Amino acid sequence: DAGVIQSPRHEVTEMGQEVTLRCKPISGHDYLFWYRQTMMRGLELLIYFNNNVPIDDSGMPEDRFSAKMPNASFSTLKIQPSEPRDSAVYFCASSRDRGLYNEQFFGPGTRLTVL
Amino acid sequence: SQQGEEDPQALSIQEGENATMNCSYKTSINNLQWYRQNSGRGLVHLILIRSNEREKHSGRLRVTLDTSKKSSSLLITASRAADTASYFCATAGAISGGYQKVTFGTGTKLQVIP
Repeated sequence: DAGVIQSPRHEVTEMGQEVTLRCKPISGHDYLFWYRQTMMRGLELLIYFNNNVPIDDSGMPEDRFSAKMPNASFSTLKIQPSEPRDSAVYFCASSRDRGLYNEQFFGPGTRLTVL
Repeated sequence: SQQGEEDPQALSIQEGENATMNCSYKTSINNLQWYRQNSGRGLVHLILIRSNEREKHSGRLRVTLDTSKKSSSLLITASRAADTASYFCATAGAISGGYQKVTFGTGTKLQVIP
């Protein structure tokens, strides 16, 4: 298995531009998570999906952030418009179990820099 | 506030020594997990310990859990330079949509000097 795939790996954009991050979870995993990691705030859960349905988006910082999962093999996280404080590493993770066993498999991350 | 808080924030040891990291949490949990993150990479799951377990081993890793003190420790024995990474504890307990949400701690940065 190729693991969780994220693209792009690096993104540099200017303030005000739209940014779209992409994720392909591991086949057969029915949970997908988006995290943001910064030095100041650590690793924060933004949103997660179960069977393509958003379950908990309480971590999404503002209306500028939106996430979709149109099918079981693809998800996007969009920031519109982007701001310098959005600069962070964004991770996608997937999991195949609920309940007692919650191992998550992380992608390599997308390093976003907003100038 | 963070559910998991690791201690120490940073640790530097010589190769061959043991490394111990601690994690404290605030609410009741169903299980606790430890993850490793190498610089510039995603997190990798190391080990999971359930709330009814007190100790678990995996290779050179030993994890203990004390639910009465709401704390866990990760011991890496005979450390190697390749163990240099950040280590995070993650707690699963709050029910959200029927799923036990996992919350990550602040991490311990381990440096193993060859």
